[in-house]
Amino acid sequence: GAVVSQHPSRVICKSGTSVKIECRSLDFQATTMFWYRQFPKQSLMLMATSNEGSKATYEQGVEKDKFLINHASLTLSTLTVTSAHPEDSSFYICSASPGTGVYEQYFGPGTRLTVT
Amino acid sequence: DAKTTQPPSMDCAEGRAANLPCNHSTISGNEYVYWYRQIHSQGPQYIIHGLKNNETNEMASLIITEDRKSSTLILPHATLRDTAVYYCIVRVGNRDDKIIFGKGTRLHILP
Repeated sequence: GAVVSQHPSRVICKSGTSVKIECRSLDFQATTMFWYRQFPKQSLMLMATSNEGSKATYEQGVEKDKFLINHASLTLSTLTVTSAHPEDSSFYICSASPGTGVYEQYFGPGTRLTVT
Repeated sequence: DAKTTQPPSMDCAEGRAANLPCNHSTISGNEYVYWYRQIHSQGPQYIIHGLKNNETNEMASLIITEDRKSSTLILPHATLRDTAVYYCIVRVGNRDDKIIFGKGTRLHILP
């Protein structure tokens, strides 16, 4: 199947700093990517839809100025957590869909963010 | 909100078939049933999807009832590596169609 990568896999940052997470589709082009957040023992929660060349669409309750999304190319989307706080500590996962027809989405391995 | 209902947890003996049920009574005619699983601290993994016919691949089989209101994912010979949370998802399946995850079923494979 198609491969989606994320970098970094783990990051620890101090409160008040910003962190950038990259999501890449390695063997296909993705005009649309998705960002999810997952807290311990909970399900994945969709944060936003990242569209190549245009502004991201955020889900209700997700602060667009805090979670900056840039989808500058057909294989790369980035999520920047600005002015991170301990409550932003979570598992961040991206996904993308290749091909034509009925699409399965492929997910990245996730990025564990810890804000101290 | 998720459009599916799944039992919160299930146990299955290693080597036996694991049958995971899912109810989706409000499914629309153009919506597919997708199954994903998430092993601890990893991203979700696509398993299988179907519209109305039963489907089989190298990982699993998907049985969809004739009225399409429920389905069953079958892992034919469960191993310890199949321990994961399994998500049943109903979606149109376009490239831009987002996935809304429910709580899934936590499957424990017992040695």
